[in-house]
Amino acid sequence: KNQVEQSPQSLIILEGKNCTLQCNYTVSPFSNLRWYKQDTGRGPVSLTIMTFSENTKSNGRYTATLDADTKQSSLHITASQLSDSASYICVVSDRGSTLGRLYFGRGTQLTVWP
Amino acid sequence: EADIYQTPRYLVIGTGKKITLECSQTMGHDKMYWYQQDPGMELHLIHYSYGVNSTEKGDLSSESTVSRIRTEHFPLTLESARPSHTSQYLCASSDPGPNEKLFFGSGTQLSVL
Repeated sequence: KNQVEQSPQSLIILEGKNCTLQCNYTVSPFSNLRWYKQDTGRGPVSLTIMTFSENTKSNGRYTATLDADTKQSSLHITASQLSDSASYICVVSDRGSTLGRLYFGRGTQLTVWP
Repeated sequence: EADIYQTPRYLVIGTGKKITLECSQTMGHDKMYWYQQDPGMELHLIHYSYGVNSTEKGDLSSESTVSRIRTEHFPLTLESARPSHTSQYLCASSDPGPNEKLFFGSGTQLSVL
């Protein structure tokens, strides 16, 4: 069964600290993995998209890694800010260049305290 | 910043009412989607469209219907709302480039009393 599991479910950190969010998936065949940031009451916003051949991608203070062999990804947030408080969603696509079936994780709820 | 808009942002209605959730995008994207999301849960695809006059049901069964008469407009309609329809509804469109990046609207939070 194709699934996307994220951990932890929730996380609280102090402003300025770093953190790492995890995503494990069983989706096959794999096409790409996406990380989204969703603020409360808003739609998700894309952070990174990684294909099979990419093992790291950065977007400002956000760095995503991908290990396609172990089917694991992580999102590292550096020097956290209050505005980083949000849900971070891992999404895996199972097809090629066209938008195939997307499998969504339930997200990690990150809270950054001052 | 995504140019995809949803109205209303919040809607509280009584059981049995007919409602239409609006979604418009100004990016010229052919592909558009409707997702349903409950608190703490993953997004579920309920409808999608690959262009004008093309609509398909998604993975999650839904009593809603959609139409795609114009490229930029993808409204969702519930003929008779029930409390079980209470949820957040997210509209999205995807660009035609590699990996087809998804752009989401801000969502409509629907509450049916």
